[in-house]
Amino acid sequence: AQTVTQSQPEMSVQEAETVTLSCTYDTSESDYYLFWYKQPPSRQMILVIRQEAYKQQNATENRFSVNFQKAAKSFSLKISDSQLGDAAMYFCAYRSYNNDMRFGAGTRLTVKP
Amino acid sequence: GAGVSQSPSNKVTEKGKDVELRCDPISGHTALYWYRQSLGQGLEFLIYFQGNSAPDKSGLPSDRFSAERTGGSVSTLTIQRTQQEDSAVYLCASSLGYRDEKLFFGSGTQLSVL
Repeated sequence: AQTVTQSQPEMSVQEAETVTLSCTYDTSESDYYLFWYKQPPSRQMILVIRQEAYKQQNATENRFSVNFQKAAKSFSLKISDSQLGDAAMYFCAYRSYNNDMRFGAGTRLTVKP
Repeated sequence: GAGVSQSPSNKVTEKGKDVELRCDPISGHTALYWYRQSLGQGLEFLIYFQGNSAPDKSGLPSDRFSAERTGGSVSTLTIQRTQQEDSAVYLCASSLGYRDEKLFFGSGTQLSVL
C-alpha cells in the first residue's frame, strides 16, 4: 500500500505570515489524488484542498495553495496570511485508483498572535 | 441522515471484553473507511469497503479486529478480547465512489479499555 510521510510533527507561524507544510508519498501509480485535511480541536476533519496527479497546475483555495512535484512525489501545503483559526492538525492524504485512502501522521500547526 | 453517524460516541470496557462499533454512512456513499487515532496522533488506516467488499484488510492490527458492511450501508467494527492498547478514537468516513470526492467523517467513537 502507498505510504504518506509528514516529516514535521509540529510547526509554528506568526499571524499574517506564510508557512509551508511538507508531505511526501511513495507510490508506483500514475493516477491518484492528493488531499490536505485540517483537524481542529473539535476533531472534525475538514477538507482544505485537493489535487489530481494528472493536473500539472497547482491547486489553490483562497489562502491555501499546494506545490505538487509529481516526479519528486512531494505535495506541500502553503498557508498565506496565517490566521489564528488556522491552528490545527494538518493531514496529507493519498487516494489510490481503487479508492484506498491513506493519511500521514500529521503536522500540528500553532499560530502565534 | 445528514452526516456520518457513529455509535456509541464513548465506550468504556474492561480488558478482555468484546466491543462493537457502528458506522452509519451518508446514504448513497459506496466507499466507507475505518481509521484509528490515538491521542494527538495521525490516522491509522484499518480497513475500507467498496460496497460490501473490503479489498484490503491488511490495516487491521490483529486477528482480534474484524469489520463487515451489509447492504452497502451500515458497517460494524468488532474488537474481540480488548486490550489496553486498543484505547483510541475510532473514526469512520464515507464518500461517493469517485476518487476526487472528499471524505465525510463521523465524530468518532472514543474507546477506553480499562
